[in-house]
Amino acid sequence: QLQLQESGPGLVKPSETLSLTCTVSGGSISSSTYYWGWIRQPPGKGLEWLGSVYYSGSTYYSPSLKSRVTISVDTSKNQFSLNLSSVTAADTAVYYCARRRADTVIDYWGQGTRVTVSS
Amino acid sequence: SSELTQDPVVSVALGQTVGITCQGDSLRRYSTNWYQQKPGQAPVLVIHGQNNRPSGIPDRFSGSTSGKTASLTITGAQTEDEADYYCNSRDSSGYHWVFGGGTKLTVL
Repeated sequence: QLQLQESGPGLVKPSETLSLTCTVSGGSISSSTYYWGWIRQPPGKGLEWLGSVYYSGSTYYSPSLKSRVTISVDTSKNQFSLNLSSVTAADTAVYYCARRRADTVIDYWGQGTRVTVSS
Repeated sequence: SSELTQDPVVSVALGQTVGITCQGDSLRRYSTNWYQQKPGQAPVLVIHGQNNRPSGIPDRFSGSTSGKTASLTITGAQTEDEADYYCNSRDSSGYHWVFGGGTKLTVL
């Protein structure tokens, strides 16, 4: 059974960089069939896609966050990571990592990790 | 702002049928997936590729698309169906994932 697990600080100061890692177990991140992405959900609000990465390293970012988001993949560790720079309180959210199939279905989600931006 | 539009709130009487809609130009070209999210939990896929149910999803859940509108139908809603529902597809460029704003379903 595939599992995704987010890890990283739960508290980040304003203007700093939020960094999270997603560890994939029970399957290979190097499969050509899947994309790996980050999705967040501010308190009481809806889901927002931040970006995704292919095992080859190709990346796709949300147009609204493109200037602040970097996603990378480490196939040797079966992990992919998110960096979000210059954070503000508006970046406070639950951050999910997820796997998306080639047919657009997001079939596996991590449990989510809550990140608060506060001094 | 989302390229997929959903009604924020929908209610249904217990045992009745309810439809949740999602509108967006990209839905004319790309398939729609639906996710159910209960408080404090990660979303769960309930319908994909217009009308396919993953294993374990009750057959009271179904999906359809007409033009730029996708619909999730629950036939005989149960109390456990009370949740937020999100549609998901690609944006008009085809490269980016996009979600609807979500619909909060209340079962009365």
